[in-house]
Amino acid sequence: DSGVTQTPKHLITATGQRVTLRCSPRSGDLSVYWYQQSLDQGLQFLIQYYNGEERAKGNILERFSAQQFPDLHSELNLSSLELGDSALYFCASSVGMGSSYEQYFGPGTRLTVT
Amino acid sequence: AQKITQTQPGMFVQEKEAVTLDCTYDTSDQSYGLFWYKQPSSGEMIFLIYQGSYDEQNATEGRYSLNFQKARKSANLVISASQLGDSAMYFCAMREGRGGYNKLIFGAGTRLAVHP
Repeated sequence: DSGVTQTPKHLITATGQRVTLRCSPRSGDLSVYWYQQSLDQGLQFLIQYYNGEERAKGNILERFSAQQFPDLHSELNLSSLELGDSALYFCASSVGMGSSYEQYFGPGTRLTVT
Repeated sequence: AQKITQTQPGMFVQEKEAVTLDCTYDTSDQSYGLFWYKQPSSGEMIFLIYQGSYDEQNATEGRYSLNFQKARKSANLVISASQLGDSAMYFCAMREGRGGYNKLIFGAGTRLAVHP
């Protein structure tokens, strides 16, 4: 158990809908990262937050947005969902925002868009 | 652009034998980090081992060791004394970190099957 929690574990929804994925980092970790793992794209970095502020963006679609709250939990919002958004979404956390910190991954949320 | 290449889609090994999973990387940065993660069939990503570009010694963590050859830009994972529970996907990743951010770039992964 990495100490990172994600809810829900599974999510099934229809095209065009909006969903919110939630992540709680390990105790004491200030940085949160979101990754998407799909069959065709592999594991891709989406976005990083540190102590409530966005720090880095990767291949995140405009239909997706995220935020980190004062209690450090983070939410990833996916809207206007398409079949291709079906994937495993991971949240990871680390102590700091610099590049010397290992990232610990949550169990993931498996999103299925039908 | 930074890139991670894992050329072995699948590997198999007999229980109790050692196995090497290949990883090569491409970067123009002098400072970088290399990671290996394990993903069992249950889906979670488990951190195994880390090697910094300036580390002179190869990293080791229990049965895992990282064979770091900087000039060849390779960071192979060696698992000694394989166990049935080692059957999983293994991902090599490189940390791209400048200016205070820290994203990981992953390879395509290698599926390891350990046979009794």
